[in-house]
Formats: sequence, structure tokens, C-alpha cells
Amino acid sequence: QQPVQSPQAVILREGEDAVINCSSSKALYSVHWYRQKHGEAPVFLMILLKGGEQKGHEKISASFNEKKQQSSLYLTASQLSYSGTYFCGTFSGNTPLVFGKGTRLSVIA
Amino acid sequence: DGGITQSPKYLFRKEGQNVTLSCEQNLNHDAMYWYRQDPGQGLRLIYYSQIVNDFQKGDIAEGYSVSREKKESFPLTVTSAQKNPTAFYLCASMAGASPYNEQFFGPGTRLTVL
Repeated sequence: QQPVQSPQAVILREGEDAVINCSSSKALYSVHWYRQKHGEAPVFLMILLKGGEQKGHEKISASFNEKKQQSSLYLTASQLSYSGTYFCGTFSGNTPLVFGKGTRLSVIA
Repeated sequence: DGGITQSPKYLFRKEGQNVTLSCEQNLNHDAMYWYRQDPGQGLRLIYYSQIVNDFQKGDIAEGYSVSREKKESFPLTVTSAQKNPTAFYLCASMAGASPYNEQFFGPGTRLTVL
């Protein structure tokens, strides 16, 4: 079942902060975050694992609430290069990653 | 450099024709995936393969077919049975189908049906 992302879209000015949320109805082993620029391939940002371990981009901050099956991605002091669509992917068992519909982030000067 | 290549980048097809999208990886990854991307729909899984000579249907497999004869190659055929094939297609691979491994994506193929 597809995880739900919120908000669907957000517009920021440079230097502002944003939080992107990802919620699942299933018990999760891990949550993955990717960013995609228009017309390009998604790029891996980080993985948050059950038990608290994290793997990925040092400059990216995220959290994983195992009890609520929710994850949040924190983008602080946003830069123009942060613009793109952010996808969360959830891993809940012996099935492949399931991706959300994405959150479109636009950072303006 | 290790990575995933997809070809062609743009593909135009007439209605009723089958077309094959290429995906090659030199990362020595066991698992490979095909996704379809439509505006506002995210990444929807078409087919996946966790090992050579084996593959499974994803959420939207109807009208598509795949093969996995070699570890590095996972071509996708869009058949005439696919009623609305115009979309952006992404191929991805993982070292193994594990919660701990990230997916690596190819640059994508944009298919347009004329």
C-alpha cells in the first residue's frame, strides 16, 4: 500500500525551512528518501531503519517514528538547489520498496 | 564509472507497435526494477527481478513484459496491449532486496505514443 506524503507541494524562499512527511499504514523495516529534479533520475538521500540506524547524506536530517510508522524529512536553510520532487519509499517485508506520490518543493530567491 | 544506463532517452511509437526499452547496469547488483512515472502519480512498479532468470509482476504489469537472462541486463517490452503507454520509464537496481540497501536509478526513457 502506497505511503502518503504531505504536503503535496511547498514553495520556500531561500533560507527558509520545510518539513516533508511520509506515513504508512503498515509496519515498516525502513523508510527511504529520494530527490528528483525534473526529467532526471531520482537520487538517493537517506535510509532510516527500524531501531534507529540511519544511512545516507550527512547534510540531510530526518526522523522515523516506528510506533506511528511515520517519517519526516527536515530541510533547513533551504537553497535553490533543494528544488525538486521528494519521494519517500517504504519497506515493510518481502516486497519491493513502495513509493509515495511525491512532494514538490520549489525554492525561490 | 559504475552505474545504470537506459536507452534510448526518447522513444516514439505508433499505436499497435511493441517497443523494447534497454536497461544495463555494471554495479554487480542482483535486484533490478522497472518503474513507470506519470505526473502526480509517483513511481509505480511494473516488474522486478531479484535474481537472474526470475522476475515478478509489480503493481501495473499488464501490457508489459520483461526478461532477465543476464545479471546486468533487464529489458522492458511495452506491448500493444498497454493501452496508455506514454510515460517516463525508470530502471533501478539494488545490491540486494534488503531494507538496508538504496536503489540506484538510470536516467530514464521518455516514451511517447503517436
